[in-house]
Amino acid sequence: AQSVTQPDIHITVSEGASLELRCNYSYGATPYLFWYVQSPGQGLQLLLKYFSGDTLVQGIKGFEAEFKRSQSSFNLRKPSVHWSDAAEYFCAVGAGYSTLTFGKGTMLLVSP
Amino acid sequence: DVKVTQSSRYLVKRTGEKVFLECVQDMDHENMFWYRQDPGLGLRLIYFSYDVKMKEKGDIPEGYSVSREKKERFSLILESASTNQTSMYLCASRIQGDGNQPQHFGDGTRLSIL
Repeated sequence: AQSVTQPDIHITVSEGASLELRCNYSYGATPYLFWYVQSPGQGLQLLLKYFSGDTLVQGIKGFEAEFKRSQSSFNLRKPSVHWSDAAEYFCAVGAGYSTLTFGKGTMLLVSP
Repeated sequence: DVKVTQSSRYLVKRTGEKVFLECVQDMDHENMFWYRQDPGLGLRLIYFSYDVKMKEKGDIPEGYSVSREKKERFSLILESASTNQTSMYLCASRIQGDGNQPQHFGDGTRLSIL
């Protein structure tokens, strides 16, 4: 069965600084990988996804993520964080026709 | 854009009541999902449906049931609500196909059981 680990429960970043959120997955074959963002009181919004091809994928709101098979990782990055990026971020893994398995989330706090 | 609409943003019910949470999607998606979200636990899958009148148990189905009589609507039912079912409930839909299709989420229903 697939699993996802987001090692950081909370991260605080200064506005304008770069950001990297970590995600490690466990799955035997090439997985489908997703990053979602959840603003307070809202549902989840898709930021980006990876399923094949170029291992660096671009998403909405200036986010990108890199798939590294050797490290079983799919880390999310942004070069310059804005206060509006404060939210909870979820990494998810899927395979074949199965459902998604979500990580427990990383809460991003942005300091002025 | 896909629109997934959950009928209530906030709901307060009493222990023992039968509770219905409704979800409607407007993109003719075959697959629909119900999750609950709790602090520190992330999203946990309760039930999902691959198509009309089909349902599959997820990771935590105990105390819940579902109904999918029409393609666009997926209902979650708490047969006899208990306080440990106080949570945020999220509905999602997805087009049928390989797992590379993303799920689209509603805004959630925050349910309190008193």
